[in-house]
Amino acid sequence: EIVLTQSPGTLSLSPGERVTLSCRASQSVTSGYLAWYQQKPGQAPRLLMFGASNRATGIPDRFSGSGSGTDFTLAISRLEPEDFAVYYCQQYDTAPWTFGQGTKVEIK
Amino acid sequence: QVQLVQSGAEVRKPGSSVRISCKASGGTFNGYSINWVRQAPGQGLEWMGDIVPFFGIANYAQRFQGRVTITADESTNTAYMELTSLRSEDTAVYFCARDYAVKAPYFQLWGQGTLVTVSS
Repeated sequence: EIVLTQSPGTLSLSPGERVTLSCRASQSVTSGYLAWYQQKPGQAPRLLMFGASNRATGIPDRFSGSGSGTDFTLAISRLEPEDFAVYYCQQYDTAPWTFGQGTKVEIK
Repeated sequence: QVQLVQSGAEVRKPGSSVRISCKASGGTFNGYSINWVRQAPGQGLEWMGDIVPFFGIANYAQRFQGRVTITADESTNTAYMELTSLRSEDTAVYFCARDYAVKAPYFQLWGQGTLVTVSS
């Protein structure tokens, strides 16, 4: 199965800062079949991005995704208070679909 | 607006089984696969398997093969996930989630989650 490794594990940042999250795959994720989710405590994950760089419905344009092959990135241009959460990547290129272990973005 | 509504929290003893339901409220599964994803306390997300309700064909992650059964009843727009031979490590929140579209296995529509606690 494709193993996704996210880094860093935790980021301590202030509102207004820019953040870049990394997701590295153990083998190539073809056609950019990679999604990103945001999860807050006690809630189900929320789809942010699919196809590596396509924003899901209702996702603000401060979120952007990029990457191909084995290296993918989620960027948030200016952190808003509601963006402090855990972020997961997911590949849907090869079954079983797998998730990264998550990156926590916390308030500094 | 379709919502996925899951059954309530469960407490089970080691070695027993649990069956969780996931109902499409306000609509149907629309022909899309229903997936089951679990999250142990403080841990990440783990895909367990999925089913195409129309065909009743399920696929499972290898690590759950033999212990998990996913079924669906299109007449009631309800999917089920049964996990057997429970152990303490199966304590987790179990989510159902619908594929975004046909052959698009990323998930915009999620159930609220069902906490399963396995304890003697």
